[in-house]
Amino acid sequence: DAGVTQSPTHLIKTRGQQVTLRCSPKSGHDTVSWYQQALGQGPQFIFQYYEEEERQRGNFPDRFSGHQFPNYSSELNVNALLLGDSALYLCASGVGARETQYFGPGTRLLVL
Amino acid sequence: GESVGLHLPTLSVQEGDNSIINCAYSNSASDYFIWYKQESGKGPQFIIDIRSNMDKRQGQRVTVLLNKTVKHLSLQIAATQPGDSAVYFCAENDGGATNKLIFGTGTLLAVQP
Repeated sequence: DAGVTQSPTHLIKTRGQQVTLRCSPKSGHDTVSWYQQALGQGPQFIFQYYEEEERQRGNFPDRFSGHQFPNYSSELNVNALLLGDSALYLCASGVGARETQYFGPGTRLLVL
Repeated sequence: GESVGLHLPTLSVQEGDNSIINCAYSNSASDYFIWYKQESGKGPQFIIDIRSNMDKRQGQRVTVLLNKTVKHLSLQIAATQPGDSAVYFCAENDGGATNKLIFGTGTLLAVQP
């Protein structure tokens, strides 16, 4: 049973560029949440997708956007990258909107 | 504001001893709590969860205790092993319609052989 998968594992971008990160949820899961984890910090909630809609959003600017596809996979897009966007981006999946979330390995983004 | 905090940023224990990691939360509306283990370079790994209608839950070598009166959560690891060395996070949901998780800053558990 495959767990949550994310791609790519690592990414280097320069300021002002745009990036797309991808996530495939655990088999049987239909909810995907995205988190940003800065070095030495706990993960911070970005947003959650369920039934292809954004259900809730954290304190992140509109430069952060996402999408969920009919097969429940999801993308996180970040526009106009800033140095401060450098972090580990985590995807978590679950069943419905109030169940345990299981995390993927993350995508390490470095903005130069 | 919302916050989940940990009392001890670093905990060093001897192999075979029991470990206790503590966590305080501030949102009275939270009704679901989770402990995650995060090893270097990896994503958080689910350890154990507990709902607010319980005060104790046991898993394999782990026990979570919830004290709603003082808004305190703890993770007990029995017979700590070198493989338990990692950063441990407590997280709470925000009591809303989604399962948005609010994380603390983490406790580094270092197991000495």
